[in-house]
Amino acid sequence: GESVGLHLPTLSVQEGDNSIINCAYSNSASDYFIWYKQESGKGPQFIIDIRSNMDKRQGQRVTVLLNKTVKHLSLQIAATQPGDSAVYFCAENMKSSYKLIFGSGTRLLVRP
Amino acid sequence: KAGVTQTPRYLIKTRGQQVTLSCSPISGHRSVSWYQQTPGQGLQFLFEYFSETQRNKGNFPGRFSGRQFSNSRSEMNVSTLELGDSALYLCASSSGLAGGNEQFFGPGTRLTVL
Repeated sequence: GESVGLHLPTLSVQEGDNSIINCAYSNSASDYFIWYKQESGKGPQFIIDIRSNMDKRQGQRVTVLLNKTVKHLSLQIAATQPGDSAVYFCAENMKSSYKLIFGSGTRLLVRP
Repeated sequence: KAGVTQTPRYLIKTRGQQVTLSCSPISGHRSVSWYQQTPGQGLQFLFEYFSETQRNKGNFPGRFSGRQFSNSRSEMNVSTLELGDSALYLCASSSGLAGGNEQFFGPGTRLTVL
């Protein structure tokens, strides 16, 4: 499959450990945020989203934290599995806009 | 429910040619967005269509254009191709309604310009 980014920051974790991927977003007017996972040869896959009136949201094995004061978003993956290996992108959206602005991505490698 | 489909999956063109890519959104979705993904620039927004109208446009030259049909299917066209247009072109669909923009992506079309 094709590479989605040759010089992405990489997070390497041991299988079973928790992973934390961070993202700084750019626009204080953004009110909706999404995390996507992209595997080689595939399009981005929705993981979890959060609106600006919340600071935490949990899904299955994933948690997103939003800190609007410092414009920071994080994705926590519990009990990381080999299938979690991929590139992870955060994306932001303003209510009046219909476009997503993506971060540069982080590559997650899970060691068996 | 079928996901977003894009055709073709792979395309090879030469400089100066033009290309048309196609996207079929998830059934019921009226918004289609297009993104360009390259290793150097990451994922960049091209444009978004809702009910056959372009609602938003990114910072790409006029060589990049798009349209949406009454069945919500969308096409994007790139004219006078340049080497730098080589990229993965992604289409995403959503309901397009206010209050959120959960977008579902297709697998992309890999365009190579020689």
